[in-house]
Amino acid sequence: ELKVEQNPLFLSMQEGKNYTIYCNYSTTSDRLYWYRQDPGKSLESLFVLLSNGAVKQEGRLMASLDTKARLSTLHITAAVHDLSATYFCAVTTSGTYKYIFGTGTRLKVLA
Amino acid sequence: GAGVSQTPSNKVTEKGKYVELRCDPISGHTALYWYRQSLGQGPEFLIYFQGTGAADDSGLPNDRFFAVRPEGSVSTLKIQRTERGDSAVYLCASSSRDRGSGGTEAFFGQGTRLTVV
Repeated sequence: ELKVEQNPLFLSMQEGKNYTIYCNYSTTSDRLYWYRQDPGKSLESLFVLLSNGAVKQEGRLMASLDTKARLSTLHITAAVHDLSATYFCAVTTSGTYKYIFGTGTRLKVLA
Repeated sequence: GAGVSQTPSNKVTEKGKYVELRCDPISGHTALYWYRQSLGQGPEFLIYFQGTGAADDSGLPNDRFFAVRPEGSVSTLKIQRTERGDSAVYLCASSSRDRGSGGTEAFFGQGTRLTVV
């Protein structure tokens, strides 16, 4: 059974600091996704990572994928308050469209 | 509309009642998903449709839950004899079928918050 774990579960950080969120998954996956969720809102797609070594960046967020280690990272550079949200990673496996989500990382950026 | 639309946004029902939750996917998206999200948790897969048929319903918790998509567009999630444990946010998502190099992320609706009292 495919399992997805994220850490940390909670992250409180100062504005201007850098930090990394980790996403580990238990079996071979063909795609990895990062989503953002604001309180009471739905999920917003951030990144889709398709292959080993893939790196994508948008603003202060950068996501990478290491399929050999079954690990993805979401790196936050010079955090700002607007990045406060819960971040989820999700994976799919070959032959299925089922998304398996991690537990989420609740990020709070303090001014 | 441009996005996935779900109705109602909130539903309060009494234990034992029947409820229907509706999802209108992005136009042209053939794949449709239902997920359930409890407070503080990640979304949990329920069922996936490709076109009109349920390609994977392995996440439905029991036979009180059923979903249909008769014309390959709008979908309805039906819950019979609701229980307090069914209280959650029910999310619908859709994606295009093409799984080529561009990737096909799922786009989520705002969800229906179901409360069983």
